[in-house]
Amino acid sequence: DTGVSQNPRHKITKRGQNVTFRCDPISEHNRLYWYRQTLGQGPEFLTYFQNEAQLEKSRLLSDRFSAERPKGSFSTLEIQRTEQGDSAMYLCANPSPGLVAYEQYFGPGTRLTVT
Amino acid sequence: GQNIDQPTEMTATEGAIVQINCTYQTSGFNGLFWYQQHAGEAPTFLSYNVLDGLEEKGRFSSFLSRSKGYSYLLLKELQMKDSASYLCAVNNYGGSQGNLIFGKGTKLSVKP
Repeated sequence: DTGVSQNPRHKITKRGQNVTFRCDPISEHNRLYWYRQTLGQGPEFLTYFQNEAQLEKSRLLSDRFSAERPKGSFSTLEIQRTEQGDSAMYLCANPSPGLVAYEQYFGPGTRLTVT
Repeated sequence: GQNIDQPTEMTATEGAIVQINCTYQTSGFNGLFWYQQHAGEAPTFLSYNVLDGLEEKGRFSSFLSRSKGYSYLLLKELQMKDSASYLCAVNNYGGSQGNLIFGKGTKLSVKP
């Protein structure tokens, strides 16, 4: 247990529906990352927060995706009008404090299946 | 562009030693990580190298050569529970605030 929690752990939805995932990081870690991992691939960076500020978004993050981190605490990732290609594991990572993103702690992930 | 290469699959015998190689080409470099990932679970941190040389941690060791863009993870005294995917990742500090760029992972199967 890394101390990072994610909910729900599994989500099955129909194409076209909206879904929202939540990540609760380790409280004193101010940086938070979202990654997406599809079968047989390594995690791919989606977006990054420093406290409540969203500082970078990957080109993978289309207009249907939005992420927030109100008050620099928990974070949510919403996918609107889901497509079958969105089926993946969505991982939240929370590095230890410091100048270097040393040892990112991953949450258990949310596995999304779009039917 | 960003590129991290590692073998797709490897097989080894219980009790043996296995070396998983990783080569990388990234726009920035601020350290290389190895993660272990069991099927259906999140990656868990194994090791971190930022300087050239060998880092040893129990049965696991990781080596880095920055000039060659090369790393390896060495697993000794293999156990059945070591069957997992092993992910090589580079902290691309020169890119975006230190997000990790991952390889596709090496699926290791340990056989009795």
